[in-house]
Amino acid sequence: SQTIHQWPATLVQPVGSPLSLECTVEGTSNPNLYWYRQAAGRGLQLLFYSVGIGQISSEVPQNLSASRPQDRQFILSSKKLLLSDSGFYLCAWSPGLAGPYNEQFFGPGTRLTVL
Amino acid sequence: SQQGEEDPQALSIQEGENATMNCSYKTSINNLQWYRQNSGRGLVHLILIRSNEREKHSGRLRVTLDTSKKSSSLLITASLAADTASYFCATDRFQGYKLSFGAGTTVTVRA
Repeated sequence: SQTIHQWPATLVQPVGSPLSLECTVEGTSNPNLYWYRQAAGRGLQLLFYSVGIGQISSEVPQNLSASRPQDRQFILSSKKLLLSDSGFYLCAWSPGLAGPYNEQFFGPGTRLTVL
Repeated sequence: SQQGEEDPQALSIQEGENATMNCSYKTSINNLQWYRQNSGRGLVHLILIRSNEREKHSGRLRVTLDTSKKSSSLLITASLAADTASYFCATDRFQGYKLSFGAGTTVTVRA
């Protein structure tokens, strides 16, 4: 069966510090991968998605970047965190080449607080 | 940008009652999905309804889709305290692998 891992679960970082959040998927190959951010009490904002190694699409201009160094690894980074980067970050995957019907499977999330 | 808008924003019901929430969207869709999120957790997929379907059932869940009105509803029957969560609709706009999520409905089921 497929599983998705995210770490760390919770992170408190000072403004201006770097960030690296990691997401890995097990039990599937060539998944589509996604990074979302969720502000408190709000819906999900798609930040990045990837359909293959090294292929990253950015949905919104921001202080963050993403990389996919391996098929089942997705990393969210920042060189200098801003207060507005605080939020709940969710990684998700969906079957690659799934066609028009694409259920997504979410990780447990990382709670980031920037002080 | 967020395509779906859920209504109401919050709902409080007694255990055993039914809970109904609605989702409206703006552009044509390929399918519409509903997800549940327990507090501080990731989202869990509940049900997917395709644009050519009008109603779908899964256990105590019933989803309807009206493409002419660009709206969907999620009904939870005989609610349990464990149904307390936020519920999100998400639309697939023929882009194959991107979903647009609404802001969610927070459901509280009182024991």
